[in-house]
Amino acid sequence: DTTVKQNPRYKLARVGKPVNLICSQTMNHDTMYWYQKKPNQAPKLLLFYYDKILNREADTFEKFQSSRPNNSFCSLYIGSAGLEYSAMYLCASSSFWGNTGQLYFGEGSKLTVL
Amino acid sequence: QQQVRQSPQSLTVWEGGTTVLTCSYEDSTFNYFPWYQQFPGEGPALLISILSVSDKKEDGRFTTFFNKREKKLSLHIIDSQPGDSATYFCAANSNYQLIWGSGTKLIIKP
Repeated sequence: DTTVKQNPRYKLARVGKPVNLICSQTMNHDTMYWYQKKPNQAPKLLLFYYDKILNREADTFEKFQSSRPNNSFCSLYIGSAGLEYSAMYLCASSSFWGNTGQLYFGEGSKLTVL
Repeated sequence: QQQVRQSPQSLTVWEGGTTVLTCSYEDSTFNYFPWYQQFPGEGPALLISILSVSDKKEDGRFTTFFNKREKKLSLHIIDSQPGDSATYFCAANSNYQLIWGSGTKLIIKP
């Protein structure tokens, strides 16, 4: 069962309010990723967990937080949403740490900030 | 420079025709190039991939070509079908992550 689930599928948030997105996977993958995807742009890696080790990209370090309470779940937290956070957020998992393992994506969480 | 350029941004092809999508890159250390296919309402899914030691990989109607000298790769879809309508992303490996192209939205018209 190659399943990655994301909740919510759609999120409407007010500027300055927090946002919490949830991802779960049933494949016992050791690595989970969060990407931000805006129209006509490449997916942008925000952060990833290898097991319990969190790696955050330098340019998004202060904007996004995450937790992974167990192997199956991973969250993405925005403390104070701005208009620029409006995007599709894609969660993915893989069984290889590194860069040649197949990524399994969820359906995405579309965030609209007003 | 770690960037992957993908073209065209959108493409319409008649059913039965051949679709060609292209990507280029600069970093010669890239050695793994996957293509992901994304249907509306779904997440991207791995379609086909190629390592830099190969110049061609085929999977049914889908073939990816890799040109190391020109730092280019392409995806060819023969006998394109309306069900192939999707957004296609190329990517390349770099250290611990994939570097993604911006995607091509493909429409196959019956």
